[in-house]
Amino acid sequence: DAMVIQNPRYQVTQFGKPVTLSCSQTLNHNVMYWYQQKSSQAPKLLFHYYDKDFNNEADTPDNFQSRRPNTSFCFLDIRSPGLGDAAMYLCATSSLPGLAYSYEQYFGPGTRLTVT
Amino acid sequence: GENVEQHPSTLSVQEGDSAVIKCTYSDSASNYFPWYKQELGKGPQLIIDIRSNVGEKKDQRIAVTLNKTAKHFSLHITETQPEDSAVYFCAASMGNNFNKFYFGSGTKLNVKP
Repeated sequence: DAMVIQNPRYQVTQFGKPVTLSCSQTLNHNVMYWYQQKSSQAPKLLFHYYDKDFNNEADTPDNFQSRRPNTSFCFLDIRSPGLGDAAMYLCATSSLPGLAYSYEQYFGPGTRLTVT
Repeated sequence: GENVEQHPSTLSVQEGDSAVIKCTYSDSASNYFPWYKQELGKGPQLIIDIRSNVGEKKDQRIAVTLNKTAKHFSLHITETQPEDSAVYFCAASMGNNFNKFYFGSGTKLNVKP
């Protein structure tokens, strides 16, 4: 089945130690998003790729970077994780321009990041 | 920018009863309104969506209504079951550019057997 895959599902890193989360998709969608979701909160958009174009949200910390080497893969790099970066990180995809009746974003299962 | 408010934050119903979750949005340019269900430890999953040219959409026990004039939309779940227990998020999007979703704050639905 076509899907959005995130690895690993759980990641533990030390304070200040760089960490990379990965996302892959078999949907061949041209837009990929990274969200941060803290407990009991809505997902917060960090950035997105529209094809190869990278777009940062204004309030995304510089500590967060992303790479998209090809259509299928996208990576989230956290250069120096702090305790406040512990969260669920969600990857999503979308196919734009949208079909007549759908602008659905397809979410992966998420990676739970713990910072010790 | 767009602002989406969602109520209630928690909702507890008896199995078999109906549940209604309401959202309001601020930007009349928004034209796509999805509802996502998120179970504990999982990613959000689309359960129903509606475009601004439609007032109501139904899929089995789930329905969504949209009032463009009042800028609000609602999720209706009938004959609730314990497996409906989850957090539900509404969102609004203008469907243009990169289709940015503006999420509501979420509703934790608990269906008691």
